[in-house]
Amino acid sequence: SQTIHQWPATLVQPVGSPLSLECTVEGTSNPNLYWYRQAAGRGLQLLFYSVGIGQISSEVPQNLSASRPQDRQFILSSKKLLLSDSGFYLCAWSVSYGNEQFFGPGTRLTVL
Amino acid sequence: AQKITQTQPGMFVQEKEAVTLDCTYDTSDPSYGLFWYKQPSSGEMIFLIYQGSYDQQNATEGRYSLNFQKARKSANLVISASQLGDSAMYFCAMSSNSGGYQKVTFGIGTKLQVIP
Repeated sequence: SQTIHQWPATLVQPVGSPLSLECTVEGTSNPNLYWYRQAAGRGLQLLFYSVGIGQISSEVPQNLSASRPQDRQFILSSKKLLLSDSGFYLCAWSVSYGNEQFFGPGTRLTVL
Repeated sequence: AQKITQTQPGMFVQEKEAVTLDCTYDTSDPSYGLFWYKQPSSGEMIFLIYQGSYDQQNATEGRYSLNFQKARKSANLVISASQLGDSAMYFCAMSSNSGGYQKVTFGIGTKLQVIP
């Protein structure tokens, strides 16, 4: 069966510090991968998606970036965090041309 | 552009009763999918049910059913025989194929509280 992992689970970082969140998927090949952010009490906002290694598309302009160095690894990064980057970050995967997206447990990021 | 509207910020239901969570959508794509996800306080998003735009019958998964009315562009979630564990945020979402990937748009959610 397929599983999706995210780490860390929680993170507190000062403004201006770098960020690296990791997501890995097991049990499937060539998944579509997604990064979402959920602000407190809000719905999900799609940040990045990837259909293959090295292929990244951004949905919204921001100071975040994403990379996919391996088929089942998706990384969300920032060189300098802003207060507005605080939120709950969710990674998800779907089968190529599939329908449902399956989510990881999320990372709760607080920028102080 | 896709849009999902959930107009109920919060709902209460008595345990063992049925509850309907509303969702309307807007899209110009002829082919799309509609989903419901549950987010308990732990934060994880749990996939509940899916309805394809060309499916003739309403989707059902255990106690969950999706009341799909295509002409009215609504995809309401019905939870039968509510349980205390159903207390959570519920998100309606829509997907379509855009450039070879599944683009998904989420609503802002409805908080459901089940009362003993």
